[in-house]
Amino acid sequence: QVQLVQSGSEVKKPGASVRVSCKTSGYIFTDYQIHWVRQAPGEGLEWMGWINPKSGDTNYAEKFRGRVTVTRDTSINTVYMDLSSLHSDDTAVYYCAKEGGHNKDYFDPWGLGTQVTVSS
Amino acid sequence: SVLTQPPSVSVAPGETARITCGADNIGNENVHWYQQKPGQAPVLVVYDDSDRPSGIPERFSGSNSGNMATLTITRVEAGDEADYYCQVWDTRSDPNYVFGPGTTVTVL
Repeated sequence: QVQLVQSGSEVKKPGASVRVSCKTSGYIFTDYQIHWVRQAPGEGLEWMGWINPKSGDTNYAEKFRGRVTVTRDTSINTVYMDLSSLHSDDTAVYYCAKEGGHNKDYFDPWGLGTQVTVSS
Repeated sequence: SVLTQPPSVSVAPGETARITCGADNIGNENVHWYQQKPGQAPVLVVYDDSDRPSGIPERFSGSNSGNMATLTITRVEAGDEADYYCQVWDTRSDPNYVFGPGTTVTVL
């Protein structure tokens, strides 16, 4: 079955950067986009960006452009999300999610999430 | 797109819960719904307005017309208590992938 396994919790200081990984299995890695969505404490879901694992093409929400970079390693079916210049309101659970189908605009399944805490 | 959802819906076990997602002409978009239980990742329960992924009970259904999409949960069970989010893809907005603010369903 399709699985997305994310890296563990991170605690970072303001101004630092964080890398979250998402290792996929159970499907052809290069066939589907991987998206990143975050959720601040007590808040809703916020889409950040996607990567096409085949081409490496990316698209980011304007809010995160310049601070977020999504990359992939096709040799190990893993996607990485780097977020720089962290501030306290970046404290959130970060999810990776697979494109639900070819050229489909929904997400299924999701990783379990990675807690990122930004605190001095 | 700016999506609107009621903050909360309360329903007795066995009854029907209806969760709405509003936006101008949302009927022209494909609407998707996610269920999120506390401390867990979201799970897709309805996609493309009214289709169900495998493993999702038939009690979950969706509709979309005009300015409102609706997720309907029939014969509500205690295990349906969760937050529900609608989502659309809108190339005219940034971000392109937009979520509603979420609705908390409470089973009385």
